[in-house]
Amino acid sequence: GAVVSQHPSRVICKSGTSVKIECRSLDFQATTMFWYRQFPKQSLMLMATSNEGSKATYEQGVEKDKFLINHASLTLSTLTVTSAHPEDSSFYICSARDGLVGSGTQYFGPGTRLTVL
Amino acid sequence: DQQVKQNSPSLSVQEGRISILNCDYTNSMFDYFLWYKKYPAEGPTFLISISSIKDKNEDGRFTVFLNKSAKHLSLHIVPSQPGDSAVYFCAAYFQGAQKLVFGQGTRLTINP
Repeated sequence: GAVVSQHPSRVICKSGTSVKIECRSLDFQATTMFWYRQFPKQSLMLMATSNEGSKATYEQGVEKDKFLINHASLTLSTLTVTSAHPEDSSFYICSARDGLVGSGTQYFGPGTRLTVL
Repeated sequence: DQQVKQNSPSLSVQEGRISILNCDYTNSMFDYFLWYKKYPAEGPTFLISISSIKDKNEDGRFTVFLNKSAKHLSLHIVPSQPGDSAVYFCAAYFQGAQKLVFGQGTRLTINP
């Protein structure tokens, strides 16, 4: 089946530093990748959609200068949280869609727990 | 505007019985509907999907039913097992958009 990996699974950083999270599709080419954030006991909140080789499309209310997304290849997207603050602490999940499948099925990574001290 | 709604935040079912999770939607443009299962601190796992031109899709213990006239779909799990305890998300997709629209999730607990 389609596998999406995410690294790191857990990161703790100091306030003001930047953190990069990687998302890879391991056995398929992901024309589109997505970044979500989940708050405790809430649904998934879509942050942005990225297509390979083009700029990401951010959802309303998401700061594009704070959450930098790069989708440099068909198997890799990165999310960089710049100048992180404690309120950025959250569970970040990426997903990827196989461009050959028309059903819109997205496969999710295992998530990254970010804690900003 | 919540286009996909899961009105039951939680559901408790006895092991071996049938679990029925419900989902309602408002946008008749959706082409596909999907169900995901999520454990705490993990990413969602894709379970099953259904095209809007079908009314039923079955995969092992999981069956999804779609009622387009009522804009309603349901996921049936039978027999329910303890490992099915998780949060289930309903999602919808139409080919004109790039993204899935998720419901709020239903926490399913299977009791021994």
